Parts: sequence; C-alpha cells; structure tokens
Amino acid sequence: GQNIDQPTEMTATEGAIVQINCTYQTSGFNGLFWYQQHAGEAPTFLSYNVLDGLEEKGRFSSFLSRSKGYSYLLLKELQMKDSASYLCAVRVPNSGNTPLVFGKGTRLSVIA
Amino acid sequence: GAVVSQHPSRVICKSGTSVKIECRSLDFQATTMFWYRQFPKQSLMLMATSNEGSKATYEQGVEKDKFLINHASLTLSTLTVTSAHPEDSSFYICSARDEVSLEKLFFGSGTQLSVL
Repeated sequence: GQNIDQPTEMTATEGAIVQINCTYQTSGFNGLFWYQQHAGEAPTFLSYNVLDGLEEKGRFSSFLSRSKGYSYLLLKELQMKDSASYLCAVRVPNSGNTPLVFGKGTRLSVIA
Repeated sequence: GAVVSQHPSRVICKSGTSVKIECRSLDFQATTMFWYRQFPKQSLMLMATSNEGSKATYEQGVEKDKFLINHASLTLSTLTVTSAHPEDSSFYICSARDEVSLEKLFFGSGTQLSVL
C-alpha cells in the first residue's frame, strides 16, 4: 500500500518561518508535490521535486531526500493568508498512469 | 497556465437522484483525467482514472456502477453519481495532466455534493 505521513496541524507566527515535514512509503516514486488548499477550494500547485535537493520559489522552498523517503516544505515570512492546508503528494507509477497519492494534509494556522 | 473547469461547483439533491459533474480542460488536451473525493478534514482520495476513448480504471472500493465516468473527448470527462445517498455527500475534484507539461496536475475548482 501507499503511506504518506505529515503532521495534522501546525501553528506559527506571522513573519516567522515554518517547516512542514512529509515522509512517504510508496510502491514506486515518480515525483513529490506540495499543494496548498484553502477550505472548500481546489488544491493549488506549490512545488515539485523529483531529484534530491532543495527547490526554492519565492517564499516557498521544498526539499527531497529519496533515500530517506522524506520531504519538507519551508514557508518563510509567513503571512496570514498562508493559513491553509498543505498537502504532500507522491506520484506513483500505476499501470501506465501516474496518479497522485495524497497525504492527509497539514492544517497551518498563522497567528498575529 | 493550464486551466481545468469543473461544473457545477455546488449541488444539493434528493436521495435517489443522479448527479453529473463535468470536468473540462480549457486550453490543453488531456488524455488522462483523475477524479478525487475529499471528505471534511480528510485528504484527497483517488476514485478513478479516466482515459479518453476507453473505460475508466477504478480504485479498490469504488463502485464503478455507482460512479459512472465518461471521457468521450480529449477535453471533457464526466462523473455521474447514480442514485445518490447521503453518504455520497462529499467534495469531488477532477484533475488533468497536460501531456506537454507532465510534472504537475491541474485541478478543477471542485464540486460540493450534498445529498439530502
């Protein structure tokens, strides 16, 4: 089976830095994604890692270690609007298709 | 960027009725679309993979006769929830993969289904 673990909830202060961790055990690996999802809305793409290392995109960075089955999403200079759920997802090869398998999401609350 | 349009955004229906949800890729062709379901405070669970011109592939535990998927063209996939019951109430999201930009999926805006 597929297993993707991430913390259920986190709280951080406006202006601070927060790191959201994700570990995965899947039957194959073809890339790891981070999505942001506000309540009642569709997920929006944040980052994609397929090779080990750090990908930086503005205030957001994502890290991947394939040997450890580990990734993190780093959010800098937190803003109130960053309060949302952050979904870690792994693309798993599956009979010619490569759907995403999602973790349960981490609900981030940014407080003043 | 690529856009996926999903309609309707919200449906309230009586138990026993059928509901059709449409998912369209607006500016790209999608040979593969994925349908997810999300219960409150839960993750997105893959229901089925929709392939243009062929039968959909359903995940274990998903009833193919209840959740009918049609992918008749490269830009449109539909999910029909037949004989809906209150336990089918959920947030349904479609996604499509741009065959040129394979790295990421593009999601529709989701459909909140409430069955009374």
